Order: sequence, then C-alpha cells, then structure tokens
Amino acid sequence: AQSVTQLDSHVSVSEGTPVLLRCNYSSSYSPSLFWYVQHPNKGLQLLLKYTSAATLVKGINGFEAEFKKSETSFHLTKPSAHMSDAAEYFCVVSDRGTGGFKTIFGAGTRLFVKA
Amino acid sequence: ETGVTQSPTHLIKTRGQQVTLRCSSQSGHNTVSWYQQALGQGPQFIFQYYREEENGRGNFPPRFSGLQFPNYSSELNVNALELDDSALYLCASSNYKTGPSPNEQFFGPGTRLTVL
Repeated sequence: AQSVTQLDSHVSVSEGTPVLLRCNYSSSYSPSLFWYVQHPNKGLQLLLKYTSAATLVKGINGFEAEFKKSETSFHLTKPSAHMSDAAEYFCVVSDRGTGGFKTIFGAGTRLFVKA
Repeated sequence: ETGVTQSPTHLIKTRGQQVTLRCSSQSGHNTVSWYQQALGQGPQFIFQYYREEENGRGNFPPRFSGLQFPNYSSELNVNALELDDSALYLCASSNYKTGPSPNEQFFGPGTRLTVL
C-alpha cells in the first residue's frame, strides 16, 4: 500500500538560510515521486519529479530532492531561502498497482521565511 | 496553449443534493484526475480517467462518479451530498503518450464546494 509522511507540518527559516522539507514514503511498486508547491489562492505547481532516472533531481527555483531507496525518503532542499518561497509544499507518490493508478499526497509542510 | 480550467469556481449546495463539477484539460492531454482538498489538508485522490475509462480510484464511495469525454474534458458527479463533502475539488490533466504512467500533472484552480 502507498503512503506519504511529511515529517514536519511547519518549517520556519530565515531568508538566505538552507531549507529542508522531509518526506518518507512507502510503496509496493516502483513509484514516481513529486514535490508540488501551493501558494495562497494559487494552483498547485510542480517543483520536481523522480521517475527512476537520476536519484538527485533538480527542480525549479533552485529546489532539489534526493531519492534514497534504502531510507524510503525524498527530502526537498534549497541552499538559500527567499521570501517568495513561503508556501505549502506537498510530497506526492504515484504508482500503478493492481487497482490501477493511485496518487497520494502528503499532509503538507507550511514553509515560513523570516526576513 | 490553454491551461486546465474548472467550473464553477464556487458552489453552494444543501445536504442530499447532487452536484456536477466540470474540467477542461490542458490542450493535448489525454488523462484527467480529480482530487478533494479539505481545508488545511493535502489533496485526496478520487479517481483518474484515461481515454474515457476509469484508470484508478482512491478511497471514495460510489456516490462519487466521473466521466471523461472524447475531447478529454471531464465531469465529477457527487450524489447525496454530505456536510463533509465541503472542500476544494481539483482537476489535474496530464499526457500519457505510451499508455498510463505517472507523469507531471497540471492542476486547475479548483471548485470550492460548500454543503450546508
């Protein structure tokens, strides 16, 4: 069965400092993993995706994530936070099982960026 | 290239009624998924349609049903509305060129449904 756990409901960083948003997953198959961002009153936007190619994935706006199968983790990082990064971030797992495709969103991590 | 559009933007219904939400996929996309996002929570997968057939379903009761049309637009129908159905309903489209496989989904702005 699939599941996604985002280990922090809220993360607060100062502008210019690194960002780490943690995500663990479980899947019975070979999953594809994604990170999406949702700004207030705006639609969900894809940051990056892992689909069994390189384990270090680079996305938009300086974000990247590393797929670690042994740890079943897919943590999102950014070297230097910007005020515009303040938003809700969702880790997502998607795969095809016996019941067809399913996509599971984590509960989300709210990122606060302090000036 | 037009993005994913949804209608209506807001809707108010009473318990027991039925509702139909609509989604137009991004141009060239052949797959659509529907999600329910309750306030303060992550989106919950309802189902996915590929080439007009249901291709996967989450843990939602049968009163949640859908359709995908030949032009790849889609409807979400909910019967016998309950108070807990109040949420933002999101539609996402994608393009599976070689058959169904997880790929980037493009999300619409959502329909906010309130059930009184």
